[in-house]
Amino acid sequence: DVKVTQSSRYLVKRTGEKVFLECVQDMDHENMFWYRQDPGLGLRLIYFSYDVKMKEKGDIPEGYSVSREKKERFSLILESASTNQTSMYLCASSFRRTSGSEQYFGPGTRLTVT
Amino acid sequence: EDQVTQSPEALRLQEGESSSLNCSYTVSGLRGLFWYRQDPGKGPEFLFTLYSAGEEKEKERLKATLTKKESFLHITAPKPEDSATYLCAVPVSGSARQLTFGSGTQLTVLP
Repeated sequence: DVKVTQSSRYLVKRTGEKVFLECVQDMDHENMFWYRQDPGLGLRLIYFSYDVKMKEKGDIPEGYSVSREKKERFSLILESASTNQTSMYLCASSFRRTSGSEQYFGPGTRLTVT
Repeated sequence: EDQVTQSPEALRLQEGESSSLNCSYTVSGLRGLFWYRQDPGKGPEFLFTLYSAGEEKEKERLKATLTKKESFLHITAPKPEDSATYLCAVPVSGSARQLTFGSGTQLTVLP
């Protein structure tokens, strides 16, 4: 079974703090993704990575950065957390295929910034 | 522009009352359509992949079908544990990596 794990299920941080969210997958997937999910806005892609040290911006990268130093691990960094970054953060991974490839999601991290 | 539209937004069924959820899409050159189930407070769980018109996939009480313009998720004799939000997604045109997700159908099955 594909396993995608995220470092925390719930996280509470203060405005201005630096926040690290980590994601690990055990299926040797090339692609990894970070989304946020908010009521009424659906899933929005923040960043994705298609190889170690490679990254591409998604639809809403402002205020976020990412790091992929190892194939299995993809980190999302909030340099200076703000209250509008309170959200559910979801990590996903997929194989590299020429056709579309299904993504497998982790359990999510509910981040609250106060 | 790629679009994925799901209907209805919400559906309430009595236990045992079969129904269908719809996912319509506008992408150039479909390279797969994916169905997910999401329980409250959890990440989406992958259910099915469909690649070509006429293809069908089944899992327990769920059956997914695909035409050239839309996909249906048929739920036969649902149970309360089938209550969840069901999402569909298609690959973004020109990308082999990114998916475009619909906004989902929130299904509630009443006992």
